[in-house]
Amino acid sequence: ETGVTQTPRHLVMGMTNKKSLKCEQHLGHNAMYWYKQSAKKPLELMFVYNFKEQTENNSVPSRFSPECPNSSHLFLHLHTLQPEDSALYLCASSQDDRSSYNEQFFGPGTRLTVL
Amino acid sequence: DAKTTQPTSMDCAEGRAANLPCNHSTISGNEYVYWYRQIHSQGPQYIIHGLKNNETNEMASLIITEDRKSSTLILPHATLRDTAVYYCIVRVYGSGGSNYKLTFGKGTLLTVNP
Repeated sequence: ETGVTQTPRHLVMGMTNKKSLKCEQHLGHNAMYWYKQSAKKPLELMFVYNFKEQTENNSVPSRFSPECPNSSHLFLHLHTLQPEDSALYLCASSQDDRSSYNEQFFGPGTRLTVL
Repeated sequence: DAKTTQPTSMDCAEGRAANLPCNHSTISGNEYVYWYRQIHSQGPQYIIHGLKNNETNEMASLIITEDRKSSTLILPHATLRDTAVYYCIVRVYGSGGSNYKLTFGKGTLLTVNP
């Protein structure tokens, strides 16, 4: 248990569906991250939020829409996804996004399958 | 970012020490060596980090060569639960700048055998 929870753990959706992934951290951190891990590929950073403000968008397609209503919650809204978007989506948090004095804590991930 | 090179896979017998090497020949003076691991279908987990001195915590030891061009993560008594992909990452330590990100490579799949 890392203090970062993600729901749902597994999600199957069609290409026309709209769904959302949720991440919550109970660590009092100020920075939150979305990563994508496709099969046989390294983790890719998608978005970074610091104090609810987006500080990085790593050229992610607009069919992925993040939302950070407060420092403890992070959402990833999904719409009109493609089968190649099937992957493990990981959320992480850290004290802030501009310092590596503190490590990132990762959630268990959401396994997404797009049919 | 300095790039790292790790073997694709390694095997280790349960109860023995697991020594995972990492080459980072282009590491800069202000970059630290970090190790994370990812057990199958879970999120990555921080293990340890260091600059130039050897480091030890409850999980592992980190040995960094004097020229800092390579390092070794040591799990002193590997268990079956240590089977995971281990990532060696170099990263600037401190505030500000742009190299605060964790950039994951392909890592080393360590398989601990009974």
